[in-house]
Amino acid sequence: QLVESGGGLIQPGGSLRLSCAASGFTFSSHAMSWVRQAPGKGLEWVSAVSGSGGHTYYAYSVRGRSTISRDNSKNTLYLQMNSLRAEDTAIYYCAKVSVTTTINDAFDIWGQGTMVTVSS
Amino acid sequence: QSVLTQPPSASGTPGQTVTISCSGRSSNTGSNYVYWYHHLPGTAPKLLIYRNNQRPSGVPDRFSGSKSGTSASLAISGLRSEDEADYYCAVWDDRLSGWVFGGGTKLTVL
Repeated sequence: QLVESGGGLIQPGGSLRLSCAASGFTFSSHAMSWVRQAPGKGLEWVSAVSGSGGHTYYAYSVRGRSTISRDNSKNTLYLQMNSLRAEDTAIYYCAKVSVTTTINDAFDIWGQGTMVTVSS
Repeated sequence: QSVLTQPPSASGTPGQTVTISCSGRSSNTGSNYVYWYHHLPGTAPKLLIYRNNQRPSGVPDRFSGSKSGTSASLAISGLRSEDEADYYCAVWDDRLSGWVFGGGTKLTVL
């Protein structure tokens, strides 16, 4: 199970840290990703991190403004977002990669999402 | 504009077969597995097809996936009203070093 938190209303230029609490599987063995959906738009991948946390990947739209990380001792995934823009307004989902050996395989478990609204 | 191209909408009547296409390029669909997700807005997306044509346990065999070259397809046979949802293809892109999603296809059961 994955449960996101940390969303809310934030002013343009502000910062926010999203969290994703994992349970029911060996968290440290699986890569994780953040995927978002802006209002009326489709799914957009945001960022990924390997099981160890040593390898990270970002979409161009958030690169340089966001940092993905994880605390395997707490079974928690994070997404630190800075310099937020109106176009970052979206539901943010965390997703678990199904297999333990790679970062780019199926997302077999998704959270329910947390809403981030960037507006003045 | 999405890196992967899907039709924005598809429709069919109960019992029919509907096919949704997903077109990409050599750096994504041409060299990596394609995945399909079912999504009802406001809920958690659900994995439908993995590695081009594999179904997770619990997904009915009415759903099937295929890939040829840089294009992939999701077929839904024996269409049911509960199949109404948004469907997305997703692929890892080697050039971008990240995932790309199709724009999504809204399926309507008439």
